[in-house]
Amino acid sequence: GDSVTQTKGPVTLSEGTSLTVNCSYETKQYPTLFWYVQYPGEGPQLLFKVPKANEKGSNRGFEATYDKGTTSFHLQKASVQESDSAVYYCVLGAASSSFSKLVFGQGTSLSVVP
Amino acid sequence: EAAVTQSPRNKVAVTGGKVTLSCNQTNNHNNMYWYRQDTGHGLRLIHYSYGAGSTEKGDIPDGYKASRPSQENFSLILELATPSQTSVYFCASGETGVNTEVFFGKGTRLTVV
Repeated sequence: GDSVTQTKGPVTLSEGTSLTVNCSYETKQYPTLFWYVQYPGEGPQLLFKVPKANEKGSNRGFEATYDKGTTSFHLQKASVQESDSAVYYCVLGAASSSFSKLVFGQGTSLSVVP
Repeated sequence: EAAVTQSPRNKVAVTGGKVTLSCNQTNNHNNMYWYRQDTGHGLRLIHYSYGAGSTEKGDIPDGYKASRPSQENFSLILELATPSQTSVYFCASGETGVNTEVFFGKGTRLTVV
């Protein structure tokens, strides 16, 4: 079945340093890939999505490129801020469904310290 | 703005009791979902619905029922709650179509003792 594996947390970074959260996926279908972010006390919310292979998605300084060859979708940010502290989910959307059946990775908790 | 509201936000239930978690959305979305969130597992799909009157099993439906009496409301029912169902439950809604954005509520923390 479909699955997503991402960097195990928690991850602690200093403000101004760079972030990479690794994500790999398995599917026999042609997927859409998402990154969702969850702040404390909130539900997950969409950070960005990338519907096509070899395209890049970005939002709020975060970016990821969907690499079909390596089945990877790593999240990166050049310089993190304290406000980026949250849990980040790599999410796989199955293209054969008529609705958004999303498969979530286990989440990576990020803490950014001053 | 899109809004998904869950109630209650916190619930303590006894083993063997019946629990109903409620969800209301004002997005006019056809699709609604129930997920549970557990450390190490991310979010896992329990039940979903294409519209009023429909419910479908997700990936982990055992021990759960769902009800969609209207476009706006989607309930998750635990007929006989067990401690293994202690978790945080999220309701979500989304538009019809493949891989559209899904909007989540703030979650319900359920503890079964």
